[in-house]
Amino acid sequence: EVQLVQSGAEVKKPGESLKISCKGSGYSFTSYWIAWVRQMPGKGLEWMGISQPGDSDTKYSPSFQGQVTISADPSISTAFLQWSSLEASDTAIYFCARRASLAAGGRAFDYWGQGTLVTVSS
Amino acid sequence: EIVMTQSPASLSVSPGERATLSCRASQRVGSNLAWYQQKPGQAPRLLIYGTSTRATGIPARFSGSGSGTEFTLTISSLQSEDFAVYYCQQYNNWYTFGQGTKLEI
Repeated sequence: EVQLVQSGAEVKKPGESLKISCKGSGYSFTSYWIAWVRQMPGKGLEWMGISQPGDSDTKYSPSFQGQVTISADPSISTAFLQWSSLEASDTAIYFCARRASLAAGGRAFDYWGQGTLVTVSS
Repeated sequence: EIVMTQSPASLSVSPGERATLSCRASQRVGSNLAWYQQKPGQAPRLLIYGTSTRATGIPARFSGSGSGTEFTLTISSLQSEDFAVYYCQQYNNWYTFGQGTKLEI
């Protein structure tokens, strides 16, 4: 069974750093790109970026370029999303999602993590 | 960046009725269009990809159509569990989501 399990909720202060994780199981982790999606409170979905764990090829949405860093450690089948200096406006739920294969999902996001709530408040 | 615009923002329907949700792209995206369902407190779930192909396990009452810049998600006979927020997403040029349509009773 394919699963993406994300790390738990975080409460941070402005200016602090943070790294959240997304562990894949039930499939070949390095064969599928992993995307990150933000959902601010009561709002819609925003694509942040996507990375290929096998070769670290990464593409960021222009809205998030330079604001976050996406990475992965294939040895532990885990993808990461990190901030060097959080702001209150980073308060949101962050989802990781697997990009489907072309043949079985057309590059849509076929499996999702449960989401990680990040709260940034002084 | 391709902008996706969904309409209406919310739609009030009754169980058993048909619901039609629309999604418009600011430029042509071919057939590279997906639909997701999100219920409160849950992650989104892939319903449709490639404009009209149902994802694994998705009931036949969900159907997608369209091409180019105009797309539609139709739910033929609404069940109680279908009341949720629906998002379209283009993946022709990286990714963009629409702002969502809330389907409510």
